[in-house]
Amino acid sequence: KQEVTQIPAALSVPEGENLVLNCSFTDSAIYNLQWFRQDPGKGLTSLLLIQSSQREQTSGRLNASLDKSSGRSTLYIAASQPGDSATYLCAVQSSGDKLTFGTGTRLAVRP
Amino acid sequence: SAVISQKPSRDICQRGTSLTIQCQVDSQVTMMFWYRQQPGQSLTLIATANQGSEATYESGFVIDKFPISRPNLTFSTLTVSNMSPEDSSIYLCSGQWDSGETQYFGPGTRLLVL
Repeated sequence: KQEVTQIPAALSVPEGENLVLNCSFTDSAIYNLQWFRQDPGKGLTSLLLIQSSQREQTSGRLNASLDKSSGRSTLYIAASQPGDSATYLCAVQSSGDKLTFGTGTRLAVRP
Repeated sequence: SAVISQKPSRDICQRGTSLTIQCQVDSQVTMMFWYRQQPGQSLTLIATANQGSEATYESGFVIDKFPISRPNLTFSTLTVSNMSPEDSSIYLCSGQWDSGETQYFGPGTRLLVL
């Protein structure tokens, strides 16, 4: 059974700081890994998708890496802003296209 | 990207009653899924909604409790039956165009059972 863990559970940083969120998964037989953002009272917004054959993906200030063999992914956020405050979820997709979600990292960026 | 809407956005229900949640996608998607997010928890997949056939349920979820319909490629419903306070959660639907692609999520339905 796939298990996905995210560290840290919560993070508070001052504006402008670069930060890294970590995600680990137990079964390396995945199709892809996705990073989502969830704002309070709202649904999920897809940030980045990394296929199992890829090593990283970039979108603006976000960069996600994937090391499938070791079961790890990181989400790097450059020059953080208060608007980045949200819960960040990683999810791995395996057979049947089902997503197994991590526990989430709650990020607060202080002005 | 796909735009997904859900109705209702929130509801307060009495135990023993049932609630049907609707999910509408603005384009045809191959796959639709239903997830539950219990308070303070991450998302757990309930089932895959299959067009024209019975949904595929994950371990711990059964059709009698969570009947699902998917009459076409843009619409699905999830019913939470015979509700108890333990069913208080956020229920989210998602859509995906093709295998291995991004899943897009609706805003969720916040359910409180008294």
